[in-house]
Amino acid sequence: LAKTTQPISMDSYEGQEVNITCSHNNIATNDYITWYQQFPSQGPRFIIQGYKTKVTNEVASLFIPADRKSSTLSLPRVSLSDTAVYYCLVGALSWNSGNTPLVFGKGTRLSVIA
Amino acid sequence: DAGVTQSPTHLIKTRGQQVTLRCSPKSGHDTVSWYQQALGQGPQFIFQYYEEEERQRGNFPDRFSGHQFPNYSSELNVNALLLGDSALYLCASSMGPREVSYNEQFFGPGTRLTVL
Repeated sequence: LAKTTQPISMDSYEGQEVNITCSHNNIATNDYITWYQQFPSQGPRFIIQGYKTKVTNEVASLFIPADRKSSTLSLPRVSLSDTAVYYCLVGALSWNSGNTPLVFGKGTRLSVIA
Repeated sequence: DAGVTQSPTHLIKTRGQQVTLRCSPKSGHDTVSWYQQALGQGPQFIFQYYEEEERQRGNFPDRFSGHQFPNYSSELNVNALLLGDSALYLCASSMGPREVSYNEQFFGPGTRLTVL
């Protein structure tokens, strides 16, 4: 399984755009990149997933360069409620294991300051 | 539409005891995965149940066992508790093997287990 590396923590002021970069140098051809968000005393919550280029949803954008060795989660105009731990995960999807076990690292602790 | 529910919320046990944690998956989901999250760490995969069978297992000893019922709910059992078993135990549900465009698992709030 591809190992991921992301910053341990980040601070941001409210209203700013936050970019969290994740390195996954050993990503395999059939691996997808997924980001989860976890608030204290809650389970992780799926944010976004992508394979290449750019993916955008109502919550965030995910930028993946052509070599796919890294990815960047972009949170537009963060608020205090975005304070959480953000996990970058890399893993394959396949017909036989559509529910590939999620492999979490330590994540990035984002603190949003007023 | 109820999400993933877990019980109990908190639990305190002593070393050597046994514990059972329960999980009800999100409506429409038939696969349940269990994760252990130690303080300050990311969740670690324990095992996954589908069609009442353990399908995949992480690097956890046999003291950790589980069960899935016909209604897709699941139990996690831990025998001979150790101090190191103190953690947040998370249940995640998803849909079973199929052609997928993404792998999204829905997590419950977890059960906080403290072993004294």
